[in-house]
Amino acid sequence: EVQLVESGGGLVQPGGSLRLSCVASGFTFSNSWMHWVRQAPGKGPVWVARINTDGSTTNYADSVKGRFTISRDNAKNTLYLQMNSLRADDAALYYCARSGGSAIDFWGQGTLVTVSS
Amino acid sequence: QSALTQPASVSGSPGQSITISCTGTSTDVGTYKYVSWYQHHPDKAPKLMIYEVSNRPSGVSNRFSGSKSGNTASLTISGLQAEDEADYYCSSYTTSSTWVFGGGTKLTVL
Repeated sequence: EVQLVESGGGLVQPGGSLRLSCVASGFTFSNSWMHWVRQAPGKGPVWVARINTDGSTTNYADSVKGRFTISRDNAKNTLYLQMNSLRADDAALYYCARSGGSAIDFWGQGTLVTVSS
Repeated sequence: QSALTQPASVSGSPGQSITISCTGTSTDVGTYKYVSWYQHHPDKAPKLMIYEVSNRPSGVSNRFSGSKSGNTASLTISGLQAEDEADYYCSSYTTSSTWVFGGGTKLTVL
């Protein structure tokens, strides 16, 4: 059974940093491109970033470029999202998701990030 | 990249059919066949219902179907059931090598 379990969310002050983690199981993690997607309350999902199988290729949404870094550790079956210079509009439920090639085909349950002073 | 445009809400009675539209541009929906649809029940993870415009993953009911014309994709649900009540999101790959989602459509089964 495919499982993606996110952690690391919480309350952070504006300008602060947070690192999210996502542990994958039930599939060959090292063969899958992975994504982070976020969703603010009452809004649609917003794609954040993706990474290829060995971590050599990454893409970011313009809104997070230069502030967020996606990375992975295939030995630990873990995906990361380092978030720096956090702003109020970064507050959301952050989902880890697997790429099935032409679509994001599986999502975790999400971890909540709150940005407030 | 602007979000894809979906109606905020649609509704239908059990047994009826409904269609949800998803309008993008020539930089996303209009260019690629990589359009997907997701079903999202509260407090659950979103679930892939349609990929590559019209393909259903294994296990998804054939009551769900997808299509595309120009810059607009559509999701049709036939034979509406109470369990279909959820939020639905479309998504597309873009010419910027990014992904874009729709704002979501709340489906109410009357």
